[in-house]
Amino acid sequence: AQSVTQLGSHVSVSEGALVLLRCNYSSSVPPYLFWYVQYPNQGLQLLLKYTTGATLVKGINGFEAEFKKSETSFHLTKPSAHMSDAAEYFCAVSTDTGRRALTFGSGTRLQVQP
Amino acid sequence: GAGVSQSPRYKVAKRGQDVALRCDPISGHVSLFWYQQALGQGPEFLTYFQNEAQLDKSGLPSDRFFAERPEGSVSTLKIQRTQQEDSAVYLCASIFQYGSQETQYFGPGTRLLVL
Repeated sequence: AQSVTQLGSHVSVSEGALVLLRCNYSSSVPPYLFWYVQYPNQGLQLLLKYTTGATLVKGINGFEAEFKKSETSFHLTKPSAHMSDAAEYFCAVSTDTGRRALTFGSGTRLQVQP
Repeated sequence: GAGVSQSPRYKVAKRGQDVALRCDPISGHVSLFWYQQALGQGPEFLTYFQNEAQLDKSGLPSDRFFAERPEGSVSTLKIQRTQQEDSAVYLCASIFQYGSQETQYFGPGTRLLVL
């Protein structure tokens, strides 16, 4: 079985500041890792994913994440926050064994202050 | 279609009423997932279809929940005798094949409120 922990249910940053959203996972087999963003009253949109290969993954809207196996982490970063980044962010994990569905963290709400 | 669509977008039900939620996946997508997202939480898996076959229904919370995908495209999630704890957003997602590394494309969800 796999699980995801997102540290910090709410994160507030100033516009132009670094965004760092933390995600740690637990998996007994090699994981596939995802970050999704959810705007109010909308579904989930994929930001980026790690499957195999390069551990630094670049996604849409200037976001990137680094898979660190030794730390079981997949933190999401963006160098400079925009007001439009305010949303809920979910980290998720899946594997090739067992259940094929995504296992999500509880989410981090990002606020961007002007 | 261009994306995953779900209907209705909002549903208010009286406790004890039956409801049916519809999901239209992206055309040609083989696999379809249903998730339940309670307020302030991440989505939780309910059930998974590969074509018309329901391969995993281990996430369905009770026998009041039933899902089908008879022709391998549109899927319906039915909840019988709704209870207040069923209030949540129900999300549908589809992927082209069945690989766990594939991107799941989500619909906008159906927000169910049981009074």
